[in-house]
Amino acid sequence: EAGVVQSPRYKIIEKKQPVAFWCNPISGHNTLYWYRQNLGQGPELLIRYENEEAVDDSQLPKDRFSAERLKGVDSTLKIQPAELGDSAVYLCASSLAGLAAYEQYFGPGTRLTVT
Amino acid sequence: QKEVEQNSGPLSVPEGAIASLNCTYSDRGSQSFFWYRQYSGKSPELIMSIYSNGDKEDGRFTAQLNKASQYVSLLIRDSQPSDSATYLCAVMEYGNKLVFGAGTILRVKS
Repeated sequence: EAGVVQSPRYKIIEKKQPVAFWCNPISGHNTLYWYRQNLGQGPELLIRYENEEAVDDSQLPKDRFSAERLKGVDSTLKIQPAELGDSAVYLCASSLAGLAAYEQYFGPGTRLTVT
Repeated sequence: QKEVEQNSGPLSVPEGAIASLNCTYSDRGSQSFFWYRQYSGKSPELIMSIYSNGDKEDGRFTAQLNKASQYVSLLIRDSQPSDSATYLCAVMEYGNKLVFGAGTILRVKS
């Protein structure tokens, strides 16, 4: 079974530039998560989708971050404009609905460097 | 105040020994607990989940949960150099939000 797919794996941009990350979850997984992980820290949730609906975006900095999950499958996370403090690894995870929804599986992540 | 606390380590153990990793959490209503392993430069990998008090064993791994003490632990028996990684404790809080600790670095010396 294919795992969570993310692209790109690495991205280097200058501050104030836009950037987008893409995620394709495990087939059949209804729930999709975007996390940000800073060096030496655990992942922090940015947004959670149940199918197409964003059910928890309380941690998403909405002034510069946006996300979408059209058709309830793959998802895109965008930052515009990027700031130096956005340098981090952006992780996508997915899970099934129901009790098994608690077990989340992560993609390889996108390492973002803002210069 | 951090919601999930872990000792950052590093925890160094000799090959073949038992590694004991600990985690405390603040949300008394939490019902689901997880351990993830993260190798340097890689993404977190789910290794154990536990939902009820007591022990849960899977191969060389044993997860222990004590909800009264708000304490979760992970034991790794017969530690191998390949177990060297950061171990993240994660707790499912109200609203199905998974909250991670900062992780404990484990080093297994051969």
